[in-house]
Amino acid sequence: DAGITQSPRYKITETGRQVTLMCHQTWSHSYMFWYRQDLGHGLRLIYYSAAADITDKGEVPDGYVVSRSKTENFPLTLESATRSQTSVYFCASKKLAGEDNEQFFGPGTRLTVL
Amino acid sequence: EDQVTQSPEALRLQEGESSSLNCSYTVSGLRGLFWYRQDPGKGPEFLFTLYSAGEEKEKERLKATLTKKESFLHITAPKPEDSATYLCAVSRGSQGNLIFGKGTKLSVKP
Repeated sequence: DAGITQSPRYKITETGRQVTLMCHQTWSHSYMFWYRQDLGHGLRLIYYSAAADITDKGEVPDGYVVSRSKTENFPLTLESATRSQTSVYFCASKKLAGEDNEQFFGPGTRLTVL
Repeated sequence: EDQVTQSPEALRLQEGESSSLNCSYTVSGLRGLFWYRQDPGKGPEFLFTLYSAGEEKEKERLKATLTKKESFLHITAPKPEDSATYLCAVSRGSQGNLIFGKGTKLSVKP
């Protein structure tokens, strides 16, 4: 099916482990985003990418690494997971910059760091 | 500092009882204001984009309006299936990145 998918949907890990969250979109959208959603904070931007091999930091990038070797994929890596990174992570994409720029969101990954 | 504030945090309505959700914002270089709906355990679903003061958009029982400092999401004769969290966001800068409010959780009782 066309759209934006995330995997895994649920993940439990331990402090200090490396974790990679996957995001895949089938629309060939230029822009992709990673957000985290926590109670009391709403959605906060972690990293975004304007195109393959172009990434930039958002509001809360510390402790996260991204890459984008292909347009359709945008993995998010927690190099050494901490309990404060327990959250729900959403990937999103949009076609272009500019006014016509609504973002479309994936179903989310619920990550628990013990 | 760019900021988006939504009120109330939670709203409980009876079926058919119309009301409004508020989104106030302070942002330099506003490119657009967005409304999303989020159901429990799911990602946000796009509803509307508003670009200029005075603009209005409608979808079924929802109508979004925009002024220079705030936006309202009016819900007319809501049904239980309208229960969800409604998120407001503003886009800014050359990339159009979004700043989200914390949302309003709407519950509609039959």
